[in-house]
Amino acid sequence: AQSVAQPEDQVNVAEGNPLTVKCTYSVSGNPYLFWYVQYPNRGLQFLLKYITGDNLVKGSYGFEAEFNKSQTSFHLKKPSALVSDSALYFCAVRNDYKLSFGAGTTVTVRA
Amino acid sequence: GAVVSQHPSWVICKSGTSVKIECRSLDFQATTMFWYRQFPKQSLMLMATSNEGSKATYEQGVEKDKFLINHASLTLSTLTVTSAHPEDSSFYICSARAPPGTGNSPLHFGNGTRLTVT
Repeated sequence: AQSVAQPEDQVNVAEGNPLTVKCTYSVSGNPYLFWYVQYPNRGLQFLLKYITGDNLVKGSYGFEAEFNKSQTSFHLKKPSALVSDSALYFCAVRNDYKLSFGAGTTVTVRA
Repeated sequence: GAVVSQHPSWVICKSGTSVKIECRSLDFQATTMFWYRQFPKQSLMLMATSNEGSKATYEQGVEKDKFLINHASLTLSTLTVTSAHPEDSSFYICSARAPPGTGNSPLHFGNGTRLTVT
């Protein structure tokens, strides 16, 4: 089965600094990878996806992610974090028509 | 477009009672919906796949008699937590499989329901 792992429970950065949220994947065949963000007591909002093509994927709210096949990684990045980026972030991989999520990473951006 | 509405957003019930959560696709038809359960600051665990007009498919370890799922129309799936107990307290999120042309995400999510059983 396809799976993703998020090795960090928490990431803390200062506003204006670069933000990276790590994700590694384990799939057979070509991976369909996604990033979602969740604010407190809300559902998930889509940020970006990788299906095929360019390894650098640009998404919503200034986020981007780099697909690295040799390292089996799909890290989420933002060059300059905002306090409003503080939330819970999930990496996900598509399994047939279902999504399997990582454990989530809580991002805290301090002013 | 492609909005999923989940109701109620929060509910408190007494132990032993049943609670129904609704998930509606407002502007598209959803033949397949998914129900997830989430504990605080943890990942989403898929509970079941709800298919319109047929029985739901439950994930391993999920009690089908406790978590009743009905998907009687193309726009509505319901999750009923029967004889709720405090350990059922959790955040429940539904999602609908996205039809073609409704965006980049394969799923559209509701805003979740916070269930507290006292």
